[in-house]
Amino acid sequence: GQQVQQSPASLVLQEGENAELQCNFSTSLNSMQWFYQRPGGSLVSLFYNPSGTKHSGRLTSTTVIKERRSSLHISSSQTTDSGTYLCALTSSFSKLVFGQGTSLSVVP
Amino acid sequence: ETAVFQTPNYHVTQVGNEVSFNCKQTLGHDTMYWYKQDSKKLLKIMFSYNNKQLIVNETVPRRFSPQSSDKAHLNLRIKSVEPEDSAVYLCASSYQGASQNTLYFGAGTRLSVL
Repeated sequence: GQQVQQSPASLVLQEGENAELQCNFSTSLNSMQWFYQRPGGSLVSLFYNPSGTKHSGRLTSTTVIKERRSSLHISSSQTTDSGTYLCALTSSFSKLVFGQGTSLSVVP
Repeated sequence: ETAVFQTPNYHVTQVGNEVSFNCKQTLGHDTMYWYKQDSKKLLKIMFSYNNKQLIVNETVPRRFSPQSSDKAHLNLRIKSVEPEDSAVYLCASSYQGASQNTLYFGAGTRLSVL
């Protein structure tokens, strides 16, 4: 079965609203990473976060290994935040397993 | 700033043809990857090389073959393409394994098989 489940699958926000994206995993974890992909664009790393909480501007990532989940919080969303957010975990040296992604649309 | 370079950006071909995609990274990383992203945006690893050595080889059809001349280059050849090979192929690199460091991705090669 799918090792990494992301929710929601899609989300529409009014500019200025906050969002919480979830990633749940069913296998042991070595690391957790979050990526952003603009439509038609390449993936950009947002966080490498195997455990705990990390901040970057309006973004916050929290990984709780015991509960087998990681979240990405976006505060004060902007239209330029629109795109697909992907979480990925590794359980071995080089094998990164991706979730299905959350498609975010921020409207003015 | 782009540091993982993929060519071509797009490729349209017919069933049965052979295609090759190139990838080069200028980050000094020792591990490179090929991922396939399907129409539903799901990314799946195909191959991973560490210092020119194949370390991950997922269950992909035998018509796919990776080629690495040095740790900065990882190419992908598809011997006889099939319609289901239509996808975006993403190359990535990292320092050591993905379990220890973040991955840097190229812009992708979009393959359309007619």
